[in-house]
Amino acid sequence: QKEVEQDPGPLSVPEGAIVSLNCTYSNSAFQYFMWYRQYSRKGPELLMYTYSSGNKEDGRFTAQVDKSSKYISLFIRDSQPSDSATYLCAMSGGSNYKLTFGKGTLLTVNP
Amino acid sequence: DAGVIQSPRHEVTEMGQEVTLRCKPISGHDYLFWYRQTMMRGLELLIYFNNNVPIDDSGMPEDRFSAKMPNASFSTLKIQPSEPRDSAVYFCASSLFPPQERTGELFFGEGSRLTVL
Repeated sequence: QKEVEQDPGPLSVPEGAIVSLNCTYSNSAFQYFMWYRQYSRKGPELLMYTYSSGNKEDGRFTAQVDKSSKYISLFIRDSQPSDSATYLCAMSGGSNYKLTFGKGTLLTVNP
Repeated sequence: DAGVIQSPRHEVTEMGQEVTLRCKPISGHDYLFWYRQTMMRGLELLIYFNNNVPIDDSGMPEDRFSAKMPNASFSTLKIQPSEPRDSAVYFCASSLFPPQERTGELFFGEGSRLTVL
């Protein structure tokens, strides 16, 4: 089983839709969870950061962590064409400080 | 600040040739990282530096890969000799904080897309 699994998509939604992006993981030591956004031909940029379980909201974005299920989610409300990008989850914890990235989900928001 | 600057943006070379990728981190960032991104393996950390000193190179795939940071504003990743399986996008990233801080705040460059024929 891979440490971090992420559905690669592609995911295509109409403008205004609610988008749900998800990752599962196997390492119970992970406590630090991030979402990076990567536009085409660009480097990833940090979108959201959460520690341990719970929710965190930032504008139209909500990050959710369920450590009991080893499952994290990113919700995008009122999605916009400018949200079209690849979204990568990343996490670390325990003795391993290195970030383990998911392979990313390609999202397209159609006007 | 201009952000992390990488060059070249694209490189096409033939198997066996030497490839040198370059990176200028954000001024004041003491930590510099080299990542490789492929469809199959995603983003992988190759090596990171602190104050120009290599700290962890356990992700470097083999001896054909080497990285240097001669000063705080410049780093190189060299592949010699290159092979087709090295084809990937190589990212440089910099950070104010050590990875142990776990804040995840890495600032990535736009990447160098390498194709080895």
